[in-house]
Amino acid sequence: EPEVTQTPSHQVTQMGQEVILRCVPISNHLYFYWYRQILGQKVEFLVSFYNNEISEKSEIFDDQFSVERPDGSNFTLKIRSTKLEDSAMYFCASRSAGPFNEQFFGPGTRLTVL
Amino acid sequence: DQQVKQNSPSLSVQEGRISILNCDYTNSMFDYFLWYKKYPAEGPTFLISISSIKDKNEDGRFTVFLNKSAKHLSLHIVPSQPGDSAVYFCAASAPGGGADGLTFGKGTHLIIQP
Repeated sequence: EPEVTQTPSHQVTQMGQEVILRCVPISNHLYFYWYRQILGQKVEFLVSFYNNEISEKSEIFDDQFSVERPDGSNFTLKIRSTKLEDSAMYFCASRSAGPFNEQFFGPGTRLTVL
Repeated sequence: DQQVKQNSPSLSVQEGRISILNCDYTNSMFDYFLWYKKYPAEGPTFLISISSIKDKNEDGRFTVFLNKSAKHLSLHIVPSQPGDSAVYFCAASAPGGGADGLTFGKGTHLIIQP
């Protein structure tokens, strides 16, 4: 069964450093998403991406964040200068075409900012 | 501003009985609702969804009911099994309006007792 994959599973970084989180969505999916879950809190939407551009973003997704689909398979989230409060689980998701199709989530990357 | 609310942080049910998880929403633009199951250190796993044109959707042991006038949905699991023990998230989106990033509730921890 196809699945969304994410690397690394755990990333530790120093405050102020740049990190890139990587995702490989399900191959025939066209819509891609990033979410995060701070420990003990709910899953929060960050950004959606379709047709090589951002289609929607939340207030959390400020200028420190960017997304890219550098090739036909990878989807990345970059945080330019990490802050302590960026520590969270980051989930990538994807879905197929059509308005009412479920999003499938990857296993997540645990980001720890020291 | 909690647009999706799950007011029960936890629920304990005897194996074989029915589990009923509840969810309320406030945003009338939401037209697609999903339930996800999540184990610790894993990504959310899609369970079942319903669009606003329906009031019930069934898939095996899982049934979701939608009451649009009350802005309320519920997930019924029957019969409950030990493997159902997990955190269940209600999520909503407005894909028809071009905003298909999911808004999640805080989750309900379901514990199935033998």
